[in-house]
Amino acid sequence: DVVLTQSPLSLPVTLGQPASISCMSSQSLVHSDGNTYVNWFLQRPGQSPRRLIYKVSNRESGVPDRFSGSGSATYFTLKVNRVEPEDLGVYYCMQGTHWPWTFGQGTRVEVK
Amino acid sequence: EVQLVGSGGGLVQPGRSLRLSCAASGLIFRSYWMSWVRQAPGKGLEWVANISPDGSEEYYVDSVKGRFTISRDNAENSLYLQMNSLRVEDTAVFYCVARSSSRHYWGQGTLVTVSS
Repeated sequence: DVVLTQSPLSLPVTLGQPASISCMSSQSLVHSDGNTYVNWFLQRPGQSPRRLIYKVSNRESGVPDRFSGSGSATYFTLKVNRVEPEDLGVYYCMQGTHWPWTFGQGTRVEVK
Repeated sequence: EVQLVGSGGGLVQPGRSLRLSCAASGLIFRSYWMSWVRQAPGKGLEWVANISPDGSEEYYVDSVKGRFTISRDNAENSLYLQMNSLRVEDTAVFYCVARSSSRHYWGQGTLVTVSS
């Protein structure tokens, strides 16, 4: 199975400041169809996960443009330009290229 | 507004069975791939199973293969997960997920506790 390794696992942030999370894959996530199926999710406390980014860099409808995704092959990054209170929670990267689809361990973003 | 309402969770003894349901509304259910994703208490996420829009394709993570069966009823806008031979390690919140190429919708989750 594909192993996704996120770092850091805990990220203390200052509201209004930027934040960045990385996700490294044990193998290339480029699908045979040419797409790279890497998603980013946010799970706020007590809530279901919500997808923010799909196919590396596409924002889900309604996701603020302060969120951006980038990367290729085995290394991916989620950046938040200015962290807002509603951005706190656990972030997961996820790959949908190789079955079984797998998630990273999660990165907890909390106020410093 | 899209709603995915899960039900059927509860406390069950090891080795027994349970059937989860997910009732969908606000979307064209028959057009979506549907999935179950689980989260053990205090842990991360695990993608469990997928089913194609017409129900002809099913995919399972190895840890549930042969024990769990995903199914759907497009006439009733409903998704199911039949779970047999349950193990303590199956204890988790189970989320139903509706997927298209550009949209993801998640249900609120239903808790399954496997314990003697």
